[in-house]
Amino acid sequence: DAKTTQPPSMDCAEGRAANLPCNHSTISGNEYVYWYRQIHSQGPQYIIHGLKNNETNEMASLIITEDRKSSTLILPHATLRDTAVYYCIVRGTDSWGKLQFGAGTQVVVTP
Amino acid sequence: GAGVSQSPRYKVAKRGQDVALRCDPISGHVSLFWYQQALGQGPEFLTYFQNEAQLDKSGLPSDRFFAERPEGSVSTLKIQRTQQEDSAVYLCASSPDPIEQYFGPGTRLTVT
Repeated sequence: DAKTTQPPSMDCAEGRAANLPCNHSTISGNEYVYWYRQIHSQGPQYIIHGLKNNETNEMASLIITEDRKSSTLILPHATLRDTAVYYCIVRGTDSWGKLQFGAGTQVVVTP
Repeated sequence: GAGVSQSPRYKVAKRGQDVALRCDPISGHVSLFWYQQALGQGPEFLTYFQNEAQLDKSGLPSDRFFAERPEGSVSTLKIQRTQQEDSAVYLCASSPDPIEQYFGPGTRLTVT
């Protein structure tokens, strides 16, 4: 059963912010929101995660709505190297082992 | 520093052959994961080790799939009597903690 819903694709202009939405309406109180990305022919790469507060690191920002039913990953200044499939994953503390990937969002950054 | 390495990077097998895929995790990472990624899809969990103990093998698709990590470091995923539906990229990841998994580049298996 899919725990998250993401648009299949989106385009972004180089240098602009990319805002990637994710719906997770059935998220429970002890589940975190994780974001990974996968550049073509590489393994997935961790980006960021959060529980209910907004988070920021050197790669991206994560905005989680107050009801926690959706979130947005923000790449503040997209570059061509950010072209990748981005996966939003909901993960509980009782299943911290495995990651359940969906189909993700194919992001293409154009010059 | 050295990341997760996998070998071979590409493997072509004839249907019915056995294959063995190797994963060298990051030194000191106690957790190790295997995933299968079919073309155009997200990775699917196969199995998980903590040190040498296989704690979860719920994702292994059949008894033809077997994974081991005998000394708690290097892991091998073995597929017996390969079938065409086994064609996929097999990803290995290691982790020092519950937060972040570090993935290798994967092994692309093609069964002809």
